[in-house]
Amino acid sequence: AQTVTQSQPEMSVQEAETVTLSCTYDTSESNYYLFWYKQPPSRQMILVIRQEAYKQQNATENRFSVNFQKAAKSFSLKISDSQLGDTAMYFCAFGYGGATNKLIFGTGTLLAVQP
Amino acid sequence: KAGVTQTPRYLIKTRGQQVTLSCSPISGHRSVSWYQQTPGQGLQFLFEYFSETQRNKGNFPGRFSGRQFSNSRSEMNVSTLELGDSALYLCASSSQGRLTGELFFGEGSRLTVL
Repeated sequence: AQTVTQSQPEMSVQEAETVTLSCTYDTSESNYYLFWYKQPPSRQMILVIRQEAYKQQNATENRFSVNFQKAAKSFSLKISDSQLGDTAMYFCAFGYGGATNKLIFGTGTLLAVQP
Repeated sequence: KAGVTQTPRYLIKTRGQQVTLSCSPISGHRSVSWYQQTPGQGLQFLFEYFSETQRNKGNFPGRFSGRQFSNSRSEMNVSTLELGDSALYLCASSSQGRLTGELFFGEGSRLTVL
């Protein structure tokens, strides 16, 4: 069975600084996707960034980038130039490569950006 | 374009009752998934529907059921409610039948069981 582990329940960062959130996963699948989703307080979850396992190049989306280490089964999220609006719960998620949209989520990391 | 709409947003039930939650996906999206979010268990997959067919089901008791209509709207039902069913229930939709596209989440239905 696939598992996703986020070992940092809470993190704090100063505005404009850089922070890295950790995620490890376990799977025997060769075709899969990895995601970071953001859930702001009392607001809906939105996609931050997506990585296809077959792509060696790390995904980037503006201030957000990932460090995808396939052999180590590690998928960390780096947020550069942190902003107050980045304060949220961040979930790492694993998705199968087949005909399904099912996601397996980690337990989340609550990130607080301090002014 | 309207986002994923979940109704009701908040509801309170008592043990033993049943509840039906509704999810209207983004127009044109045929895939709808449901998740249960609790502080203790996190986000857990309930089931997924695509073109009115259940494709996947999570590890939940038979009290949890769902369906999808021809217009892609989906409902989930929980019968014989237990205290542990108190949770935020999230619905997500996608235009794709596989994870090549983004999942769009609703704001959730917060169920409290007394």
